[in-house]
Amino acid sequence: GNSVTQMEGPVTLSEEAFLTINCTYTATGYPSLFWYVQYPGEGLQLLLKATKADDKGSNKGFEATYRKETTSFHLEKGSVQVSDSAVYFCALSPTQGGSEKLVFGKGTKLTVNP
Amino acid sequence: EAGVAQSPRYKIIEKRQSVAFWCNPISGHATLYWYQQILGQGPKLLIQFQNNGVVDDSQLPKDRFSAERLKGVDSTLKIQPAKLEDSAVYLCASSLHNEQFFGPGTRLTVL
Repeated sequence: GNSVTQMEGPVTLSEEAFLTINCTYTATGYPSLFWYVQYPGEGLQLLLKATKADDKGSNKGFEATYRKETTSFHLEKGSVQVSDSAVYFCALSPTQGGSEKLVFGKGTKLTVNP
Repeated sequence: EAGVAQSPRYKIIEKRQSVAFWCNPISGHATLYWYQQILGQGPKLLIQFQNNGVVDDSQLPKDRFSAERLKGVDSTLKIQPAKLEDSAVYLCASSLHNEQFFGPGTRLTVL
């Protein structure tokens, strides 16, 4: 079946540090991949997505590249800010180019200290 | 544009009681989803509606959970009777073109 595994947190960084949150997936066919972010007290928000192999999703300084050969979609940011403190979820949709039937990882809590 | 609305935001009940959650999707969004998010885990899809029809309810515990989407707009999710393990945040999401928009969720505590 379809599944997503992401690195367990919590992750604590100082402001301006480099961030990597690892995500690997198992799926048949050609899934679409997503990163969602959940800020304290708010709902899930789409951060970025990639719909086919070698695509790079990017938003707000965050990037992730769809690597089919390693079944990975790691989230990176070169310089984190305090405002990036949140829980980050990696997810897949088994529908190529779609967003249905999302399967989520367990989430990684990021805390950025000033 | 208004986002996905959910109510109540918090609910505390005792086991074996019943509870209902309400969701109002973004206007014009044909697809509506209910997810269950247990503490420390990612959201798990319970049911997906397309307009007022059910597309996927394979992970809905149908012996105690039910959901409806009358008139293809608002939706309600009901649990009857509740168990301790139903304590979770229940998220509603809607989509139009390949992006799901999530509501703030309802946090349910079953004592």
